[in-house]
Amino acid sequence: GDSVTQMEGPVTLSEEAFLTINCTYTATGYPSLFWYVQYPGEGLQLLLKATKADDKGSNKGFEATYRKETTSFHLEKGSVQVSDSAVYFCALSDHGSGGYQKVTFGTGTKLQVIP
Amino acid sequence: DVKVTQSSRYLVKRTGEKVFLECVQDMDHENMFWYRQDPGLGLRLIYFSYDVKMKEKGDIPEGYSVSREKKERFSLILESASTNQTSMYLCASTRAGVFYEQYFGPGTRLTVT
Repeated sequence: GDSVTQMEGPVTLSEEAFLTINCTYTATGYPSLFWYVQYPGEGLQLLLKATKADDKGSNKGFEATYRKETTSFHLEKGSVQVSDSAVYFCALSDHGSGGYQKVTFGTGTKLQVIP
Repeated sequence: DVKVTQSSRYLVKRTGEKVFLECVQDMDHENMFWYRQDPGLGLRLIYFSYDVKMKEKGDIPEGYSVSREKKERFSLILESASTNQTSMYLCASTRAGVFYEQYFGPGTRLTVT
């Protein structure tokens, strides 16, 4: 079945540091890939997505490129801010066994940015 | 602005009680999902629904049931709450199709004592 593996946290960075959160996946079909962010006390919200190989998703300074050859979708940001402190989830969306949409999430990576 | 709302942010129930968690979306989405979120385990799918009155089991359906009588509303039912069902419950909705992102509610933190 499908699976998503993302780097363990927590990750602690100083403000303005470079961020990379690794995400790799296994899938039987041609999935779409997503990064979601969860701020304290809230539900998840979409950060960015890519629906086919070599697509780059970007939003709020974050970027991720859909790499089919390495089955990866690593999240990057050039200069993090304290307000980026949150939990980040990598996810894929594919067709499940019944033909329905099935979404598989990674376990989440907590990011803490210190001033 | 799109919205998914959940009936309670915090809930405390006793072991053996029947618990109802409600989720409403205003985006006319076909698909709706219930997840539970536990530290170190990420999000685990309990049930999902792709149409009114239709439901499919997710990865951890035991001890739960669902109801979808109207397109905008998806209810999660704990038939007899147990302490191991203490968790954060998240509802989500999406348009049909793998390209579309999910929209999440704020979550319900359920404590079963």
